[in-house]
Amino acid sequence: EDQVTQSPEALRLQEGESSSLNCSYTVSGLRGLFWYRQDPGKGPEFLFTLYSAGEEKEKERLKATLTKKESFLHITAPKPEDSATYLCALSRTDSWGKLQFGAGTQVVVTP
Amino acid sequence: DSGVTQTPKHLITATGQRVTLRCSPRSGDLSVYWYQQSLDQGLQFLIHYYNGEERAKGNILERFSAQQFPDLHSELNLSSLELGDSALYFCASSVDLSEQFFGPGTRLTVL
Repeated sequence: EDQVTQSPEALRLQEGESSSLNCSYTVSGLRGLFWYRQDPGKGPEFLFTLYSAGEEKEKERLKATLTKKESFLHITAPKPEDSATYLCALSRTDSWGKLQFGAGTQVVVTP
Repeated sequence: DSGVTQTPKHLITATGQRVTLRCSPRSGDLSVYWYQQSLDQGLQFLIHYYNGEERAKGNILERFSAQQFPDLHSELNLSSLELGDSALYFCASSVDLSEQFFGPGTRLTVL
């Protein structure tokens, strides 16, 4: 059975204190690994898609990487506006777009 | 703003009732997905429609049904509502099977 596990569950950072979030997964036939950001009571906001091991993508202070078993979301010099829940999700090659989400990592960045 | 719209934003109803949630995808997107987010289950895939046809089903209850109309908007019908159906319901759309863009959600409260 496919599994998506995110750690830690919660992370509290000082502004400027870089850190990494982990998303470990097991799946037969990975088509894509997705990262989303979600603010309380709002819809998830798309960040990145990674398709193959070794792939990296960057956007402002965020960088996502992918290996055969896990993905990392690195937050460099975070600001308070980076506070959110970060979700990873995977899709299978035979699933026609179904996303299976992890439980998320809640990040709080304090000034 | 993702370009996906959902109505209503909030819905309060009683057990045993039936409700309809509506979603309009981004312009040009043929795929519509429905997800349920509750505190204990996280974000769960319900169903996927592509250009009016059902393509994939998740753990969607028999009391729930959906359809996608010729103008590509979609409706999710929830009937015989129970307290446990209280959740955020999100619609997402995509142009192909890559990244999905989520709407702002409908918060359903069943009393």
